[in-house]
Amino acid sequence: GQSLEQPSEVTAVEGAIVQINCTYQTSGFYGLSWYQQHDGGAPTFLSYNALDGLEETGRFSSFLSRSDSYGYLLLQELQMKDSASYFCAVKYYGNNRLAFGKGNQVVVIP
Amino acid sequence: GAVVSQHPSRVICKSGTSVKIECRSLDFQATTMFWYRQFPKQSLMLMATSNEGSKATYEQGVEKDKFLINHASLTLSTLTVTSAHPEDSSFYICSARDRCGGWGETQYFGPGTRLLVL
Repeated sequence: GQSLEQPSEVTAVEGAIVQINCTYQTSGFYGLSWYQQHDGGAPTFLSYNALDGLEETGRFSSFLSRSDSYGYLLLQELQMKDSASYFCAVKYYGNNRLAFGKGNQVVVIP
Repeated sequence: GAVVSQHPSRVICKSGTSVKIECRSLDFQATTMFWYRQFPKQSLMLMATSNEGSKATYEQGVEKDKFLINHASLTLSTLTVTSAHPEDSSFYICSARDRCGGWGETQYFGPGTRLLVL
């Protein structure tokens, strides 16, 4: 079956580093994606891991370990605009449908 | 990047009426579009997968007769919420997959439609 678990909320100060974890219980998927969603807005794509290891995109990095059924998103040099919800999503084989995790709200404070 | 639009962005309707939401891929052709629903403070839940020229595939628990999906062209999919009730009030988001994308491509999300049923 499918299940993606994420912790619910974290508060951090500007300039800090936050790691958002994602554990899943599924198999047969292309990879793990990460999306950012501001209140009232649509999800925007951040990062994608098809292979194990670290993908770095500017201040954001994402990691995947298929053997551990685990991934994380690392937000560095936090800025106020990073206050948002962050979702991991597994992309399944076939029609590439996405299954989203429960999401993690990040609140950045001065 | 690729652009997906949704119309309307916000709709308020009376209980019992039907509401149609359009999802368009503006600069690419989408063989597959996805419809999600998101309640406040919750995650996106996939409702159905819309394939151009064929019937949509609905997720378990989603009533296909209540949420009618039509994917008539490579750039347009519509979701019609029939006989809407207050519990259908939600944020409806579509996404589109570029037909020319490889296995690693992303889905492009529309801006969402906020539905309020009175």
